[in-house]
Amino acid sequence: AQSVTQLDSHVSVSEGTPVLLRCNYSSSYSPSLFWYVQHPNKGLQLLLKYTSAATLVKGINGFEAEFKKSETSFHLTKPSAHMSDAAEYFCVVSDRSGTGKLIFGQGTTLQVKP
Amino acid sequence: DGGITQSPKYLFRKEGQNVTLSCEQNLNHDAMYWYRQDPGQGLRLIYYSQIVNDFQKGDIAEGYSVSREKKESFPLTVTSAQKNPTAFYLCASRYRDRGRENYGYTFGSGTRLTVV
Repeated sequence: AQSVTQLDSHVSVSEGTPVLLRCNYSSSYSPSLFWYVQHPNKGLQLLLKYTSAATLVKGINGFEAEFKKSETSFHLTKPSAHMSDAAEYFCVVSDRSGTGKLIFGQGTTLQVKP
Repeated sequence: DGGITQSPKYLFRKEGQNVTLSCEQNLNHDAMYWYRQDPGQGLRLIYYSQIVNDFQKGDIAEGYSVSREKKESFPLTVTSAQKNPTAFYLCASRYRDRGRENYGYTFGSGTRLTVV
């Protein structure tokens, strides 16, 4: 069975400092992995996705993530946090059974301090 | 512009009532999904449908029902059998290119259901 674990429920950074949101996955085959962002009472917006091409994936708003098979990790990073980055972030793996079901991590709340 | 429309944005239900959440997409996507979100938890799958007139239970289907009579529409009914329905509900659709290698998801903006 596939699963996703987000290692931090809350992360707090100062504006202009780097962001690191950690995600480990478990999958019996090569997974498709996503990072989504959710602002309060909003739907989910795709930041980036990995589908077995380049291991370093660049997304929107300066975010990127690196797929590391040996560590089963897909951590999300950004060099410099902006106040508008404050939100909930979800690491997601796609079920490869053909149904397209998404399996979500528990989420990480990113706080950005001025 | 194409997208997914969920309505209403906020919904209040009295105990014992059934309520229906609307989800409409004009993206021509085949597959559609309903997820439930509770505070401090990720999204959990309620039901999904890969084609018209067909749908399957997800991980937490008890107390919910769906229909898929049209490709564009995938309404979710929260029945009185759902003991703890207060949550944020998100609808999603999936596109998949013919080569099946490129696919992605679009999410609606959600409906917040509160039992009063």
